[in-house]
Amino acid sequence: DIQMTQSPSSLSASVGDRVTITCRASQGISNYLAWYQQRPGKVPKLLIYAASTLQSGVPSRFSGSGSGTDFTLTISSLQPEDVATYYCQKYNSAPFTFGPGTKVDIK
Amino acid sequence: EVQLLESGGALVQPGGSLRLSCAASGFTFSNYALSWVRQAPGKGLEWVSAISGSVGSTDYADSVKGRFTISRDNSKSTLYLQMDSLSAEDTALYYCAKMRSDRIAAAVNYWGQGTLVTVSS
Repeated sequence: DIQMTQSPSSLSASVGDRVTITCRASQGISNYLAWYQQRPGKVPKLLIYAASTLQSGVPSRFSGSGSGTDFTLTISSLQPEDVATYYCQKYNSAPFTFGPGTKVDIK
Repeated sequence: EVQLLESGGALVQPGGSLRLSCAASGFTFSNYALSWVRQAPGKGLEWVSAISGSVGSTDYADSVKGRFTISRDNSKSTLYLQMDSLSAEDTALYYCAKMRSDRIAAAVNYWGQGTLVTVSS
């Protein structure tokens, strides 16, 4: 099975900072990659699908890129409401594995 | 408005069984694939199983294969997860999730609030 890794596992940044999270697949998955945000105590929310397509209603400060095995989620200007854990997920074929998550908080 | 309402979570003894349900509304149920995703307390997300919309093809995580069965009743707009031979490792909040398309190879665009399954003696 394809394994998903994320780095870093956690980060602390200031409001307004540019934040980048990396997701890596152990084998190529084309662009079948989604990013989710899970705020503390809340349900996950889809941010990005097809590696770079912004889900409707998601602020434009979020962007995704990559293809094959290496992907990034970027928050161009971190806001207090972005405190959350971010997960990537592959969905090219089962099992539709999630990455271990990256916890983002405000410095 | 899409709504996914899970039910059936409970405290169950190791080796026991449980059936989860997810009542859906706000979209044409048969046109979309659905999944179950779980989250153990304080842990990350784990995909459990998925079922396509019209054809009903299914897939499972290795950790539940042979013990869990996903099914759907398109006439009732309801998704199910039959869970047998439960162990402590199955303790988690179970989310019902709607995919973006009829195919199971798709991102999840809506999540329920979850139903808690606790396996303990």
